[in-house]
Amino acid sequence: AQSVTQLDSQVPVFEEAPVELRCNYSSSVSVYLFWYVQYPNQGLQLLLKYLSGSTLVKGINGFEAEFNKSQTSFHLRKPSVHISDTAEYFCAVSSARQLTFGSGTQLTVLP
Amino acid sequence: GAGVSQSPRYKVTKRGQDVALRCDPISGHVSLYWYRQALGQGPEFLTYFNYEAQQDKSGLPNDRFSAERPEGSISTLTIQRTEQRDSAMYRCASSPGYEQYFGPGTRLTVT
Repeated sequence: AQSVTQLDSQVPVFEEAPVELRCNYSSSVSVYLFWYVQYPNQGLQLLLKYLSGSTLVKGINGFEAEFNKSQTSFHLRKPSVHISDTAEYFCAVSSARQLTFGSGTQLTVLP
Repeated sequence: GAGVSQSPRYKVTKRGQDVALRCDPISGHVSLYWYRQALGQGPEFLTYFNYEAQQDKSGLPNDRFSAERPEGSISTLTIQRTEQRDSAMYRCASSPGYEQYFGPGTRLTVT
């Protein structure tokens, strides 16, 4: 069985400040890791993925994440956020086929 | 190119009625997944298909829920004798391999 914990349900941050959204997972087998973003009234959009190789992965909109196997974490970072980054962010893990999602982190960027 | 589409986008139905939710995946994607998302939560797996074969239906909550993908493309999720607890966002995703691409979802409200 797998599980994903997103430690912060809400993260407010000022525009142009850096942000880190935390994600920890548990699994007894090797996993693939993903971050999705959900803008209001829209579907889930894939931000980035870790399948293998380099533990630092870059995604769209300037986001990046680092896979840390020893800490079973996959935290999402952006050095400077914009108002348009306001959205809900979901971390997800997969080993078989289906995705197991965390409960989400609402990122609110303040002017 | 065209993404995953779902119809209807919104469905209001009375308790006890049957509903059918449709998913049209990205052309050529072998795998198709159904998820259900309650308010304030991440999506939860329901079932998935490779081509027309249903590979895993362990997430379907009870036998009122069924899904099919008869020609390996469009899929229908059917809920019989709907109950208020079935109210949620139903999301479909298609996949060429490991990553999944989501449609906009169908918001189901059972009154």
